[in-house]
Amino acid sequence: DQQVKQNSPSLSVQEGRISILNCDYTNSMFDYFLWYKKYPAEGPTFLISISSIKDKNEDGRFTVFLNKSAKHLSLHIVPSQPGDSAVYFCGVRWSNTGKLIFGQGTTLQVKP
Amino acid sequence: DAGITQSPRHKVTETGTPVTLRCHQTENHRYMYWYRQDPGHGLRLIHYSYGVKDTDKGEVSDGYSVSRSKTEDFLLTLESATSSQTSVYFCAIGLAGDTGELFFGEGSRLTVL
Repeated sequence: DQQVKQNSPSLSVQEGRISILNCDYTNSMFDYFLWYKKYPAEGPTFLISISSIKDKNEDGRFTVFLNKSAKHLSLHIVPSQPGDSAVYFCGVRWSNTGKLIFGQGTTLQVKP
Repeated sequence: DAGITQSPRHKVTETGTPVTLRCHQTENHRYMYWYRQDPGHGLRLIHYSYGVKDTDKGEVSDGYSVSRSKTEDFLLTLESATSSQTSVYFCAIGLAGDTGELFFGEGSRLTVL
């Protein structure tokens, strides 16, 4: 049973516009929620995270929103750039064990 | 910078042979993880470790075993490789600061014929 779901396999946006990537989870035992970016033939790289006690965290063009009542996480990229084209994974960490799992990923394409 | 090395980076083997992938870190981090990445499945956790000799199963642990006899090394073993274990394997270490942030290795591509 998947505990983290990214229901959109792909997303295409125009350069300069907003990209919104979504993630749903089913468990309330997570303490951190994370987003990672992955280019082909490279390991995933950390983008941004948010604690379960917050509802928003910003870092430059990247903002993560956490809606605990809906068990929903989103990543906003504004403005989107062609270099943002990659696969994005959302991740969740259990609060008591350090176990960390990811969703299936969303492939973002930013068109010039 | 967190130092993490995976070996081998590429391996081709035959069904039924044992395979061991090694993850080595230079930073003394407590948490280490093994994931596999497959098209349509994203990153799936195989096993993880929260200290020397302390390991636990992930989402897809069947057919895999791990060992961590010292802080810097986390080994992933396929006792008898199958074609379904053809994948790219990533090791990760949990960075300090308790934010859940992981630092990933560059991956090991395994092909089981």
